[in-house]
Amino acid sequence: AQTVTQSQPEMSVQEAETVTLSCTYDTSESDYYLFWYKQPPSRQMILVIRQEAYKQQNATENRFSVNFQKAAKSFSLKISDSQLGDAAMYFCAYLVDDKIIFGKGTRLHILP
Amino acid sequence: NAGVTQTPKFQVLKTGQSMTLQCAQDMNHEYMSWYRQDPGMGLRLIHYSVGAGITDQGEVPNGYNVSRSTTEDFPLRLLSAAPSQTSVYFCASSYGTPRTGELFFGEGSRLTVL
Repeated sequence: AQTVTQSQPEMSVQEAETVTLSCTYDTSESDYYLFWYKQPPSRQMILVIRQEAYKQQNATENRFSVNFQKAAKSFSLKISDSQLGDAAMYFCAYLVDDKIIFGKGTRLHILP
Repeated sequence: NAGVTQTPKFQVLKTGQSMTLQCAQDMNHEYMSWYRQDPGMGLRLIHYSVGAGITDQGEVPNGYNVSRSTTEDFPLRLLSAAPSQTSVYFCASSYGTPRTGELFFGEGSRLTVL
């Protein structure tokens, strides 16, 4: 079974600080894509960042970056200079065989 | 800009009743999918479609049927609702296969089965 595990149900970070959200996945495929999505209270799902498994370079999008460790099947999200608007549920997900599979999510609180 | 439209937004059913959740997109997206979101469970894939006339099962397909007769529409049918199907349902679409991760989500449909 293909699974995505987010071991931190909730996390808190002080505004302007850096936080890392963990994600591990299990797949036997060699070609796949990884994503982090953000779901604010509005319930709208927003793509934060994506990573192609065949690329060794870690993806970055402004204050968001990933640490992709393919051998360890690890895909963590680092948020730098945390802002109040970053408060949301964050879901790790991966695509294989036309299916995007999500983890259970990490709720991130930003402390002012 | 309609995007992905789900109807109804709220629905209450009794056990054993049937209903259809509608999903329509006006972006000419080939890929469409249905997820359910439950507290502590994240989003779980129910069914998906890579194009008109093609559907396939996701992680939790039991109790749900889908069809894809047009590119625009991807209805989700509950044939005999059960309390375990109480959830928030999301329809999502993308252009081609979702390799970019750019899934466009609807606003969700909250279903309660009594």
